[in-house]
Amino acid sequence: EVQLVETGGGLIQPGGSLRLACAASGFTVRGNYMSWVRQAPGKGLEWVSVTNGGGTTYYADSVQGRFTVSRDNSKNTLYLQMNNLRAEDTAIYYCATSSYLDNWGQGTLVTVSS
Amino acid sequence: DIQMTQSPSSLSASVGDRVTITCRASQGISNYLAWFQQRPGKAPKSLIFAASYLQHSGVPSNFSGSGSGTDFTLTINSLQPEDFATYYCQQYKTYPYTFGQGTKLEIK
Repeated sequence: EVQLVETGGGLIQPGGSLRLACAASGFTVRGNYMSWVRQAPGKGLEWVSVTNGGGTTYYADSVQGRFTVSRDNSKNTLYLQMNNLRAEDTAIYYCATSSYLDNWGQGTLVTVSS
Repeated sequence: DIQMTQSPSSLSASVGDRVTITCRASQGISNYLAWFQQRPGKAPKSLIFAASYLQHSGVPSNFSGSGSGTDFTLTINSLQPEDFATYYCQQYKTYPYTFGQGTKLEIK
């Protein structure tokens, strides 16, 4: 059974940085598509990024240049490094498998506020 | 960017009803279309990929999807109490991938 567990969320001031982790089990992160999706409070889903099997990542315009995805294959974990955070980045962040998001984690809340 | 427009934005129905939710893409996406269900306070759940394929054996058979190109539908036959939730479509044909705004299905 595929399980994804996101960690690393919390309260951060505008302009700060945070790194989220998505630990996978029952599934190998290496060589597979992995995605990040976020949901602002009371709002709809917003696609953030997808990393293909070769490790190339595509980002939403709203995070391009500020967010970076990486993987640690030895830990079977995907990371989302978020820099220069803004209030509008406040959201629950989910990781998911594949480009069509067939398995989801429970999410981790990021709050950007002074 | 490809815009995904769902209709209606909200819908009231009764247990046992059949409902249809529409998702329209601003340009052709072939069948690169997925549907998700989200219950309050929970993570989204995948229902359908490639426009018409049920995602998991755990997805009830009263859900079905159809369409290709720009127009897609999610149909729920014989609504059950647990089906009242918010539904989203997503295109994964072209970067950046995009979601519809969601359709909230409420009990009448």
